Amino acid sequence: EAEVAQSPRYKITEKSQAVAFWCDPISGHATLYWYRQILGQGPELLVQFQDESVVDDSQLPKDRFSAERLKGVDSTLKIQPAELGDSAMYLCASSYRLSGANVLTFGAGSRLTVL
Amino acid sequence: GENVEQHPSTLSVQEGDSAVIKCTYSDSASNYFPWYKQELGKRPQLIIDIRSNVGEKKDQRIAVTLNKTAKHFSLHITETQPEDSAVYFCAARGVTGGGNKLTFGTGTQLKVEL
Repeated sequence: EAEVAQSPRYKITEKSQAVAFWCDPISGHATLYWYRQILGQGPELLVQFQDESVVDDSQLPKDRFSAERLKGVDSTLKIQPAELGDSAMYLCASSYRLSGANVLTFGAGSRLTVL
Repeated sequence: GENVEQHPSTLSVQEGDSAVIKCTYSDSASNYFPWYKQELGKRPQLIIDIRSNVGEKKDQRIAVTLNKTAKHFSLHITETQPEDSAVYFCAARGVTGGGNKLTFGTGTQLKVEL
């Protein structure tokens, strides 16, 4: 079964440092999403790509977060500088279109701890 | 944008009993409602979904119902088993402000007790 690959699985950093997460979606999935999941809460969309274009980044804290998907395949999410409140699971997902709805498949996530 | 509320936040049932989780949404134009199961430390996985042109969908012990008029949908699990213990998230695909955006509920921690 095809999977969404993410790395690193775990990242511990000190505040004010830079961190980066990588995601490789399922082959052929044109839509890629980055979600943030704080412990005990549901995933919150940070940014959505269609191919290499951003289609929704309304919830992305653009003063410190950036995301890119230069060739429309894999993607990188960066945080600089990291803050204590950024501690969370960062989930990447990709989707195909099925009967008019995008079905999301999530990666295993990257758990960030900011000290 | 879309707002999804989910209840209850925790649910404990005896093995073999049924479990029901309810969600409401705010965007009347939303047209796709998936449910995800997330076991501790693992990724959310799609277990069932329903589209706005259908009122009910069933897959073995799991069923989902949708009431578009009231803007709510529910997950029903029958004959619960210990392996059903997990956090369940509902979601709604909003159309307002741009399509294909899934908004998730806050999750329900289901515990199936022996």
